[in-house]
This record gives sequence, structure tokens and C-alpha cells, in this order.
Amino acid sequence: DTEVTQTPKHLVMGMTNKKSLKCEQHMGHRAMYWYKQKAKKPPELMFVYSYEKLSINESVPSRFSPECPNSSLLNLHLHALQPEDSALYLCASSQPATGFDAYTQYFGPGTRLTVL
Amino acid sequence: DAKTTQPNSMESNEEEPVHLPCNHSTISGTDYIHWYRQLPSQGPEYVIHGLTSNVNNRMASLAIAEDRKSSTLILHRATLRDAAVYYCILTGNQFYFGTGTSLTVIP
Repeated sequence: DTEVTQTPKHLVMGMTNKKSLKCEQHMGHRAMYWYKQKAKKPPELMFVYSYEKLSINESVPSRFSPECPNSSLLNLHLHALQPEDSALYLCASSQPATGFDAYTQYFGPGTRLTVL
Repeated sequence: DAKTTQPNSMESNEEEPVHLPCNHSTISGTDYIHWYRQLPSQGPEYVIHGLTSNVNNRMASLAIAEDRKSSTLILHRATLRDAAVYYCILTGNQFYFGTGTSLTVIP
């Protein structure tokens, strides 16, 4: 099973709302990722968790707050977003990168976020 | 971060082979070459990966140049379901997507 699930599929929120995106995998992977993808652009890495610890934050604004409660679950908490944050948010998982392995990433279907 | 260069778009006739090129002249010795594809409104899907030798799987073949500065993804018989954006990615410490190639398959 190489499935990564993401909920919700679609989310519409106002700029003052607080919402969360959820990602789950049961492949035993110990690295999980959040990406942001704008229309007709490639995915951009936001955060990397390795062994449930945040290892990379690609200078993402603090209105995005990631959380990794356990090795199977990854959340992205959203607060006070801007309309330009509207995008497809993708979650992925893999074995942790050591620099010497292939560590193939498996992606979820994404959450389509619209900020009004 | 190691960079990749791909043509923005390519076209292929249905049931014909497709060769999707990727240049990665700054590849390091431990970088793997991964290929993913993304259909509209879906997450990227793993296609194939390799390090030095050519690789085959049920979806595609990957041909890697001897100096590893370029690679080619080969779809042996394109179908309409293969229409997608194809990304070539070098995976050293992390995963950074280039701009990809949008493949159009003509019936």
C-alpha cells in the first residue's frame, strides 16, 4: 500500500478563520512533507519532518503552522491566511533522507484551498 | 540544490514511443534521478528512479547517460492517460521540482 490520504479535499476559508489540513500514511515512513502548488507551477517544498521533528522550514510565514503528532500523521494549521495563499497543498511521505538513498516520496491527492 | 532542465512541452501520437529528456549537469555522485508525473488536479505520481544504470518498470524506462549529466524517460507506447506534466528531480538531501514537461498525447 503506497497511499497517502489528505483531508479535506477542498477547503474554503476566510482570512480570519482557523482551519487545519490533515495527512496520513501507513507505510511506516518516518519523513513527511508539506508542499504548496500554485496553478501551472511545480510543487514548492514548505516543511519537512524527520522522525516527528521539524527538520526543514523553507522560510514559510508563521500563519502556516505544521504539526507531526506521530509517525503516521501530519497536520498543517492555518490562521489569518491571505488570498494569495490559495493553492493546492500536497503532503508526501518517504523514508528519511540520508543523502545516500533513493528515498522515493509518495504524494497524497492534495487539498485545494481557497482563501476569500 | 541540483537543478534540472526540461522542455516546457512535448507532443506525441497515441501508441507511439515518447522520449522525455532531462539535463542535470550539476548532478552529484549521490544524487538519484527520480521521475514523477502529475495529472490535472492530482498529486504527483512516482514513475521511476535510477542512479547510474538504465532502469525498467511496468510504467516506463529510464535511460541515464554515462556521465549522468542527462537522462531520458521513455514511455514505450503513449496512451491518452499518459497526458500529464512530467518532472525530473534530483534527490540528494531533498526534493526540489523543476518546471517539468507538459506532455500532450494526440489521438
